[in-house]
Amino acid sequence: DIVMTQTPLSSPVTLGQPASISCRSSQSLVHSDGNTYLSWLQQRPGQPPRLLIYKISNRFSGVPDRFSGSGAGTDFTLKISRVEAEDVGVYYCMQATHLLTFGGGTKVEIK
Amino acid sequence: QVQLVQSGAEVKKPGASVKVSCKASGYTFTGYYMHWVRQAPGQGLEWMGWINPNSGGTNYAQKFQGRVTMTRDTSISTAYMELSRLRSDDTAVYYCARDAGHQPRGNFDYWGQGTLVTVSS
Repeated sequence: DIVMTQTPLSSPVTLGQPASISCRSSQSLVHSDGNTYLSWLQQRPGQPPRLLIYKISNRFSGVPDRFSGSGAGTDFTLKISRVEAEDVGVYYCMQATHLLTFGGGTKVEIK
Repeated sequence: QVQLVQSGAEVKKPGASVKVSCKASGYTFTGYYMHWVRQAPGQGLEWMGWINPNSGGTNYAQKFQGRVTMTRDTSISTAYMELSRLRSDDTAVYYCARDAGHQPRGNFDYWGQGTLVTVSS
């Protein structure tokens, strides 16, 4: 099974400052079709998750452009350019190249 | 508008089974894969499997093989997830989530509201 490891576990951030979350997979996420199915999801307190980024760097419909994704192979990053209060929650990376697996989550909170 | 409405909370005894439903509306039910994801209290997300509502084909996470069954009833646009031989660590919120893509690549564009299943003697 693919293991997805996220760091840090928690990220206290000052409003307006950037935040960065890393995700590493135990195997390459490059699919035989050439795509890399690495996504990022946000879960606000008390809500179902919400898709932010798919295929490494594609923002889903309605996602603000302060969210960006990057990476390749086994190492990926989600960046929030300027954290806003509504960004508080837990962020998960997820791979869908080899069935599906979620990372353990990173909690973003305001300092 | 697209909606996924799940059945209500359940309390089950260890060893029992639970069947959670997910009623879809606002789109062609057979056109999109449906996934099931669960979240234990205070824990992260765990993918359980998907069903192709058109063919009925399924694919389950290895952890749940032999205990989970995903089905659908296209006449009422409803997907089901049944988990058997329940244990206390199956206590979780269970979500259905629609996959926006033509393949089940986790492009979750709509989620159900979640169903809390509590397993307790």
